[in-house]
Amino acid sequence: DAMVIQNPRYQVTQFGKPVTLSCSQTLNHNVMYWYQQKSSQAPKLLFHYYDKDFNNEADTPDNFQSRRPNTSFCFLDIRSPGLGDAAMYLCATSGTGRYEQYFGPGTRLTVT
Amino acid sequence: GNSVTQMEGPVTLSEEAFLTINCTYTATGYPSLFWYVQYPGEGLQLLLKATKADDKGSNKGFEATYRKETTSFHLEKGSVQVSDSAVYFCALRIQGAQKLVFGQGTRLTINP
Repeated sequence: DAMVIQNPRYQVTQFGKPVTLSCSQTLNHNVMYWYQQKSSQAPKLLFHYYDKDFNNEADTPDNFQSRRPNTSFCFLDIRSPGLGDAAMYLCATSGTGRYEQYFGPGTRLTVT
Repeated sequence: GNSVTQMEGPVTLSEEAFLTINCTYTATGYPSLFWYVQYPGEGLQLLLKATKADDKGSNKGFEATYRKETTSFHLEKGSVQVSDSAVYFCALRIQGAQKLVFGQGTRLTINP
């Protein structure tokens, strides 16, 4: 089945130690998103790629970066995680002409 | 601006009860409307969608009708099951925009 895959499902990192979360998709969608979600609140969009074009949300901290080396993969880099960055990170995709987004299972990040 | 307001949770019902979760929206332009469901520890799953006024989305016994006159997209199910316990998010996406705008989520618990 075509899907959105996130690895790892659970990630523990130390305060200030860089961490990378990964997302891959087999849907061949051109748009990929990264969301942060805390405590079953609504997901908060961090940024998205439309093809290779990067679109950052105005309130996304500089500590968060992203890379999309090809259509299938997208990475979220947190340069210096703080305790407040502990959350579920969700990747989603959307295809041309389609309004719905398809979400991966998420990576739960713990910062110690 | 664009926004989505959902009924306050948590909502607790007995198995086989009738479910309504209210959702109203404010939007510039013509939005597509969605309901997403999130089970514990998982990502969001698209439950149903409607892309124009009077459309009815349906899936797994859930239904919602796009009501332009009342700017609403209420989620209903005739007989809920314990397995329906989850957090439900109403969302909209404006034509031409890449972002989803989420409501705050409604936690639903079904007791046997």
